[in-house]
Amino acid sequence: SQTIHQWPATLVQPVGSPLSLECTVEGTSNPNLYWYRQAAGRGLQLLFYSVGIGQISSEVPQNLSASRPQDRQFILSSKKLLLSDSGFYLCAWRGRPNTEAFFGQGTRLTVV
Amino acid sequence: DAKTTQPTSMDCAEGRAANLPCNHSTISGNEYVYWYRQIHSQGPQYIIHGLKNNETNEMASLIITEDRKSSTLILPHATLRDTAVYYCIVRVGTGANNLFFGTGTRLTVIP
Repeated sequence: SQTIHQWPATLVQPVGSPLSLECTVEGTSNPNLYWYRQAAGRGLQLLFYSVGIGQISSEVPQNLSASRPQDRQFILSSKKLLLSDSGFYLCAWRGRPNTEAFFGQGTRLTVV
Repeated sequence: DAKTTQPTSMDCAEGRAANLPCNHSTISGNEYVYWYRQIHSQGPQYIIHGLKNNETNEMASLIITEDRKSSTLILPHATLRDTAVYYCIVRVGTGANNLFFGTGTRLTVIP
């Protein structure tokens, strides 16, 4: 069966520090991968998605970047965090368009 | 942005059916309607999806109007554990791969 792992679960980082959040998927190959952010009390904002190794589409210009060094690995990064980067970050995958997406448990990032 | 409109919040009595509406008037012929829910501080959970026929699974039923411009998610016997934000989404844009969520409906099941 397929599983998605996302870590860490919580993270507190100072302003200006770097960020690296990792997401891995098991039990499937060539998934579509997604990074979302959810600010407190708000909906899910799609940040990046990837249809293959090295292929990244950015939906919102921002202080963040994403990379996909391996088929089932998706990384969200920042060189210098801002206070506005605080939020709940979710990774998701799905096998093909028009199939359901499966989400990780999320990382709650607080930038102080 | 997602091409769906949902009420911001709804209440439902425990044990009663919860009917969550969604408008998607600009849906195109090959776009599916998906429903997810998000319980506080967790990742969203897939519920059901459909194209034009009504669908039912162990969690819910999905009723799609004949013109496909709206749909309703039905939780037949709501429990307290069904309290969550419910998202109705459709595939958006020319790309087949992006997946946008709106702000959803916050359903509160009342004892």
